[in-house]
Amino acid sequence: EVQLVESGGGLEQPGGSLRLSCAASGFTFNDFAMHWVRRGPGKGLEWVSGISWNSGNIGYADSVKGRFTISRDNAKKSLYLQMSSLRVEDTALYYCVKDTAAALSNWFDPWGQGTLVTVSS
Amino acid sequence: DIQMTQSPSSLSASVGDRVTITCRASQSISRYLNWYQHKPGKAPKVLMYAASKLESGVPSRFRGSGSGTDFTLTISSLQPEDFATYYCQQSYNMPYTFGQGTILEIK
Repeated sequence: EVQLVESGGGLEQPGGSLRLSCAASGFTFNDFAMHWVRRGPGKGLEWVSGISWNSGNIGYADSVKGRFTISRDNAKKSLYLQMSSLRVEDTALYYCVKDTAAALSNWFDPWGQGTLVTVSS
Repeated sequence: DIQMTQSPSSLSASVGDRVTITCRASQSISRYLNWYQHKPGKAPKVLMYAASKLESGVPSRFRGSGSGTDFTLTISSLQPEDFATYYCQQSYNMPYTFGQGTILEIK
């Protein structure tokens, strides 16, 4: 069974940093692209960032470009999101999501349960 | 960036009803359109991919159609477990944008 377990969320002040992690199991991690998707309070789903199987192709939403960095460690079967210069509007539940292929540009399945990030002073 | 516009934003319906949700892309995305269902407290799950392909395990009462810029998700006979929020998402190019969501509520 595929499992994606996020961690690293919490309360941070505006301007601060957090690092999210996602531990993957139940599939060959280095065969698939991965993504982060978030859902803010009272908002819909927003794709945040994606990374191909070998980290050769990476993309970001405009809202986080230059502030967030996605990375992966295939040996550790883990996905990361380094978040810096945090803003109140980054407050959201962050989902780790598996792509259905090695390259990007496919659909997302499955999703983790999410880790909550709250940015507030 | 490609903008995805869903309609309606919310919908009230009864068990057994047929409902249709539409999704429009700001430019052609061929058939790179996916649909997700999201229930409170649960992880979203994919229902349809590539506009009209049913994800394994999803009931056949769900049907997707469209190509280019206009897409629809139809539920032929609503069941109690179908009341949720539905999102379309384009995977044509990055950033992979979602529609704003359609909340399907029990009438």
